[in-house]
Amino acid sequence: NAGVTQTPKFQVLKTGQSMTLQCAQDMNHEYMSWYRQDPGMGLRLIHYSVGAGITDQGEVPNGYNVSRSTTEDFPLRLLSAAPSQTSVYFCASSYPRGRGYSPLHFGNGTRLTVT
Amino acid sequence: GESVGLHLPTLSVQEGDNSIINCAYSNSASDYFIWYKQESGKGPQFIIDIRSNMDKRQGQRVTVLLNKTVKHLSLQIAATQPGDSAVYFCADRLSGGYNKLIFGAGTRLAVHP
Repeated sequence: NAGVTQTPKFQVLKTGQSMTLQCAQDMNHEYMSWYRQDPGMGLRLIHYSVGAGITDQGEVPNGYNVSRSTTEDFPLRLLSAAPSQTSVYFCASSYPRGRGYSPLHFGNGTRLTVT
Repeated sequence: GESVGLHLPTLSVQEGDNSIINCAYSNSASDYFIWYKQESGKGPQFIIDIRSNMDKRQGQRVTVLLNKTVKHLSLQIAATQPGDSAVYFCADRLSGGYNKLIFGAGTRLAVHP
């Protein structure tokens, strides 16, 4: 099992550009989520999904879109990048709460810089 | 709103000593608590978890204590090793909230030889 795989590892964008951060998991997890991590702060939830075709907003959803067409993939789209979106982005997955208590499994992140 | 915070941003210990990392949470409806370790350039790695119906749980060299009365969580690491140097995060989940974990800001653990 590769676990949670995120690509790319690093990305530099100019203000106004768009891009998609990729996330894939091979553990057949139904729950997937995106977090951002800024210096001196904990991880903040952007969007999450409890299964294919179902997504919802987290704490900081503005400027980001998600979709979930398969169980394995959960891409995060930046529509028009802004310097405030400079951060490290983590994708995480787990079984949903309905299957008991299960910790989130994280990928190794995408470090994004917006100039 | 709910929040999870940490008392100390940095903890320095000598190799071989025991480490205690503390965490406070604010929502009494939280039912699940998790400790993560994050090394530089990597994603958070699961260490240990505990449900709200438990007070203590032990793993290999780690123990998590939960005090629901004062909404306090701690992680104890026995015989701390240089490889334990990392940032440690606590996280909690609201009952019925899927796995929408709320993270604290983290504590950096520095282990000195």
